[in-house]
Amino acid sequence: EDQVTQSPEALRLQEGESSSLNCSYTVSGLRGLFWYRQDPGKGPEFLFTLYSAGEEKEKERLKATLTKKESFLHITAPKPEDSATYLCALNGYKLSFGAGTTVTVRA
Amino acid sequence: DTGVSQDPRHKITKRGQNVTFRCDPISEHNRLYWYRQTLGQGPEFLTYFQNEAQLEKSRLLSDRFSAERPKGSFSTLEIQRTEQGDSAMYLCASSPGLADTGELFFGEGSRLTVL
Repeated sequence: EDQVTQSPEALRLQEGESSSLNCSYTVSGLRGLFWYRQDPGKGPEFLFTLYSAGEEKEKERLKATLTKKESFLHITAPKPEDSATYLCALNGYKLSFGAGTTVTVRA
Repeated sequence: DTGVSQDPRHKITKRGQNVTFRCDPISEHNRLYWYRQTLGQGPEFLTYFQNEAQLEKSRLLSDRFSAERPKGSFSTLEIQRTEQGDSAMYLCASSPGLADTGELFFGEGSRLTVL
């Protein structure tokens, strides 16, 4: 059974303080690892798809990387608007989500 | 707004009552999904449709839950004889085409509180 574990559960950052979120996974056959952002009271919003170890994707201050057992979401020089819960998920339409990391960026 | 639309956004009901949620997907999207999310957890897959056909249901979807997508357009999720454990955010999502990409477009959800 696919398993996704995200750490830390919560992360408080000062504006401009870069950090990384971790997503550890076990899966019988990886068909994609996905990162989503979720704002309070809203549905998740797609960010990235990674398919193979070594792959990297970037969007503004966010960069996602993938190894055979983990994915990292790096937030560079975050701003308060980057505050959200970041979810990682495995494989296709029947996504197996982790519990998320809630990031709070203080001005 | 051409995103996924869900209604109602909030529903408070008493235990034992029936509730129905509606989802209007992005118009050209063939696939429609229902997920459930409880506080502090990620969304959990419930069921999905390819056009009007319901192709898979999670074991989380008990007999009290039924979903339909008549004519392959909007979808409804009905919960009969609600229980307090049904309290959650019910998320609808859609995706285009036939490919299993994992890139889903979620609505803002319908929050259910069962008293």
